[in-house]
Parts: sequence; C-alpha cells; structure tokens
Amino acid sequence: KAGVTQTPRYLIKTRGQQVTLSCSPISGHRSVSWYQQTPGQGLQFLFEYFSETQRNKGNFPGRFSGRQFSNSRSEMNVSTLELGDSALYLCASSRGGAGEAFFGQGTRLTVV
Amino acid sequence: GQQLNQSPQSMFIQEGEDVSMNCTSSSIFNTWLWYKQDPGEGPVLLIALYKAGELTSNGRLTAQFGITRKDSFLNISASIPSDVGIYFCAGPKDNYGQNFVFGPGTRLSVLP
Repeated sequence: KAGVTQTPRYLIKTRGQQVTLSCSPISGHRSVSWYQQTPGQGLQFLFEYFSETQRNKGNFPGRFSGRQFSNSRSEMNVSTLELGDSALYLCASSRGGAGEAFFGQGTRLTVV
Repeated sequence: GQQLNQSPQSMFIQEGEDVSMNCTSSSIFNTWLWYKQDPGEGPVLLIALYKAGELTSNGRLTAQFGITRKDSFLNISASIPSDVGIYFCAGPKDNYGQNFVFGPGTRLSVLP
C-alpha cells in the first residue's frame, strides 16, 4: 500500500511569490491535514480537509489556503511569501476522526 | 490553549540501554500518538493509544496512556543506533478531527 506522497520535496522561492504544494493521501483515506514545522515553533497545525471540505483550521493568516479534490488529493497554497514561511510542510493522511495520522516526507520550502 | 510538554528534551544513552520518556498535558486527551522523526523526513507513527490505562507494544517500543488522561509514556528497550531521532507525542484538540497538537519532542542520541 503506497504511503503519503508529497511533491515537490524541495522548493526555493522569492519573497512575495506564491507557492503550491501537493499531497496524495493513502488510498482510502479521506482526511488530509497540513502542518508547518520550524525549529522555533515545532509542528503546528494549518488545516484539515475531509471529503473536499475544510473541517478544521489552525491559527495561520489567510495567506495560507488549501483545497481537496474528489480523489482526496490536496493542495496547499501560500501567497505573498515571507521569509518566515521557510519551513518543512507536512501532510498527514487518515481515515477521519481523531485517530491515527500518517505523514508524508514533507516539502522543504525556503524563501529567500 | 492545549499544550504538551515532553521530557527529557534530549538524552544520550549507550547502545543496549533502555529509554524512558514522557509527555504531559494540562488538558485531558482521548488519544495519544507517538511519532519518530529522522532529519529531513516526515514523522513516522510508532504507537497509537485510545484508552486510559492502555499499554501497547510495537517491537521494542512500549507506550502507556496515563490513567489521568493527561500524560503518556514511551519506553524503548535495548536501544540500537537506528533509534536515534526525535520522538514526538501528539493529541487531538477535539474528538472528531485531525487537529493534533504536538509536543516539542525528545531528541535521542545513541552512543555505540
């Protein structure tokens, strides 16, 4: 069974640009969550999508947005990038509910 | 808001030794998840706990869901070099979604 796949693995963007990250969940999983990981703040929840609807949202500015498609694949978009957005962005897949979540390898975003 | 604390922050042990780490919260959790993360990779789920008092093993790893539901423990027996990494505990902010709060992690180093 294939795991969670995130693309791309690495990205370098310039301040002010926008970026789109992609996540393909484990087959059969309908929930996709996104997290930001930085050395200073640790792992922080961005948002969760379940059956194409945003079900939960963390405390991040509106520049961070996402969507989920009918095949459960999800994308995350960050607009007007700031230096502080440099982080490892992780996607987690689950069947739904507050149970086990399986992470992808992450996308390392560097904003210069 | 809900916060998780992990101790110790870091530990250096000799190969073959047993390891104990814990995770505490000021709030009650109904689920505890333990993850291990290698540098530059996504967290890998080790053990999931769903019931107060539950003791679950996964190979050399054993985790317990504290009776108060405000703590959890992870033990690793007979450590080996590949146990090196950061161990995170996580709990859901609510009972239905994937909005997890993560602890700051315990960094484990194993000396040969």
